Amino acid sequence: AQKVTQAQTEISVVEKEDVTLDCVYETRDTTYYLFWYKQPPSGELVFLIRRNSFDEQNEISGRYSWNFQKSTSSFNFTITASQVVDSAVYFCALSEASQFSGGYNKLIFGAGTRLAVHP
Amino acid sequence: SQTIHQWPATLVQPVGSPLSLECTVEGTSNPNLYWYRQAAGRGLQLLFYSVGIGQISSEVPQNLSASRPQDRQFILSSKKLLLSDSGFYLCAWSVSGGPDGELFFGEGSRLTVL
Repeated sequence: AQKVTQAQTEISVVEKEDVTLDCVYETRDTTYYLFWYKQPPSGELVFLIRRNSFDEQNEISGRYSWNFQKSTSSFNFTITASQVVDSAVYFCALSEASQFSGGYNKLIFGAGTRLAVHP
Repeated sequence: SQTIHQWPATLVQPVGSPLSLECTVEGTSNPNLYWYRQAAGRGLQLLFYSVGIGQISSEVPQNLSASRPQDRQFILSSKKLLLSDSGFYLCAWSVSGGPDGELFFGEGSRLTVL
């Protein structure tokens, strides 16, 4: 069965520290998609990144980077030189091609990791 | 550009009272629409999704219902609220077409049932 595990419930760091948010997924599909979303205190989830199962190339966007490793079923998210504005709840999510029926995208979310960045 | 709005933002209701949360999307046609619930300290649980007007599918049995009276309007309802209905409700939309499509979320509605 499909599952997303974010073992870190809460992380607290001081500004400028690097921090890695872990995400481990389970799926039997060979075609699937992984997502990261950010939920700031305002509440709405903001899309950060999507990776498909055939692209293991790591990605960097400014201070954000993502490490996708199929061998360990992980899709970890690293924030370099964290800032107070990075404080939020971060969700990892999985979408399987086999579950795409009837035209809707069934995203399975992890429980989220609350990141607190202190000045 | 596309926008999504949901209201009310905050709601405090007594047990047994009715509920109506509304969500509208602008700037797109025939979106897929979703209602998620986020309980405290937990992830997001998909409640309902809709691929068109009048087409509603439920993911989990519960005390809630959903309706889609117009293409870009999605309503979450209950006839009698339970304490367990408390939570943060998020409406989302996606472009229909594939499992790789990201979801765009509204601002959320925080419901407290007393």
